[in-house]
Amino acid sequence: DAGVTQSPTHLIKTRGQHVTLRCSPISGHKSVSWYQQVLGQGPQFIFQYYEKEERGRGNFPDRFSARQFPNYSSELNVNALLLGDSALYLCASSLLSSGGTDTQYFGPGTRLTVL
Amino acid sequence: AQSVTQPDIHITVSEGASLELRCNYSYGATPYLFWYVQSPGQGLQLLLKYFSGDTLVQGIKGFEAEFKRSQSSFNLRKPSVHWSDAAEYFCAVVSGGYNKLIFGAGTRLAVHP
Repeated sequence: DAGVTQSPTHLIKTRGQHVTLRCSPISGHKSVSWYQQVLGQGPQFIFQYYEKEERGRGNFPDRFSARQFPNYSSELNVNALLLGDSALYLCASSLLSSGGTDTQYFGPGTRLTVL
Repeated sequence: AQSVTQPDIHITVSEGASLELRCNYSYGATPYLFWYVQSPGQGLQLLLKYFSGDTLVQGIKGFEAEFKRSQSSFNLRKPSVHWSDAAEYFCAVVSGGYNKLIFGAGTRLAVHP
């Protein structure tokens, strides 16, 4: 079975630009979460989506937004890129029904570099 | 607020030696705990998890972890390390009602031949 897939693998942008990152969950998984991992640190939670609705949001500015589609895939959008947005962006999926706890399986990530 | 502490930033062991990576958590209720491993430039792979029940949990690649409520710890162990175990290891706890993971800063493991 295919795991969580993310695209693109790498991305280089300049300050002020906009970026869209994509994630496809494991088949049958209805929940997608996004994490940001800055070099040398652990991942930080950005969003969780379940059944196309935002269920949780981390401490990130409004420049960060996301959505989930009817097929449960998801996009993470970042506007007005800053140098500090350079990071590995990880997507995770789970079977989770809202309010419960379930194992999250991670994709390979998208490495974003902002120049 | 919930938090996870991994006291060791970097650990070096010899191949064949035993390994213990430390993890301490701060959480008021029964925690749901995970260990993930990350190879350079890669995503996170689940090693093992603790939700409830037996406090000694077995994972993949010969790893195990023991949940000790009295010490707020969930240390990862392996009896004999292989060179392929060199990677970064993250401990995490679920926080909140929507399955949010809080990660420690990670422990980078180097293995000497």
